[in-house]
Amino acid sequence: AQTVTQSQPEMSVQEAETVTLSCTYDTSESDYYLFWYKQPPSRQMILVIRQEAYKQQNATENRFSVNFQKAAKSFSLKISDSQLGDAAMYFCAYPGGGSNYKLTFGKGTLLTVNP
Amino acid sequence: KAGVTQTPRYLIKTRGQQVTLSCSPISGHRSVSWYQQTPGQGLQFLFEYFSETQRNKGNFPGRFSGRQFSNSRSEMNVSTLELGDSALYLCASSYGTLKRNTEAFFGQGTRLTVV
Repeated sequence: AQTVTQSQPEMSVQEAETVTLSCTYDTSESDYYLFWYKQPPSRQMILVIRQEAYKQQNATENRFSVNFQKAAKSFSLKISDSQLGDAAMYFCAYPGGGSNYKLTFGKGTLLTVNP
Repeated sequence: KAGVTQTPRYLIKTRGQQVTLSCSPISGHRSVSWYQQTPGQGLQFLFEYFSETQRNKGNFPGRFSGRQFSNSRSEMNVSTLELGDSALYLCASSYGTLKRNTEAFFGQGTRLTVV
């Protein structure tokens, strides 16, 4: 069974600083995607960034980037120049493989941004 | 373009009752999937519907059921409610059926409290 593990229940960062959220996963697939979702207090999950396993280049979306280590099955999210609006729960997610896809989420990391 | 709309936003029910939650996907999206979010279990996949057919189902008892209408709107029903069913229920829509690279768009959820 696929599993996604986020070992940091809570993290905090000073505004304008950089923070890295960790995620590890387990899969027997070789070609897959990984996602980071953000859930602010409004509760609506928003896709932050995605990474295709076959791409060696780490994905980047503005201030958000990933450090993808396929062999180690590690998929961390780096947030640069943190802003107050980045405060939220962050979930790492794996959509699965085979014929039945579903998003399997980690337990989440609650990020606090201090002014 | 309107996002995913879930109704109602909040619901309080008594143990043993049944409840129906509604999800209207983004216009043009034909896949709707449902997730249960609790502090203890995190986010868990319930089921996915595509073109009125259930495509995939998570590990939930038969008390949890769903359906999708011809306009892609979906309903989720929970019968014989238990205290443990108290959760945030999230609905996500996507254009096609869930695949490894599908971006799912989430609604703001329905907060169900069972007393």
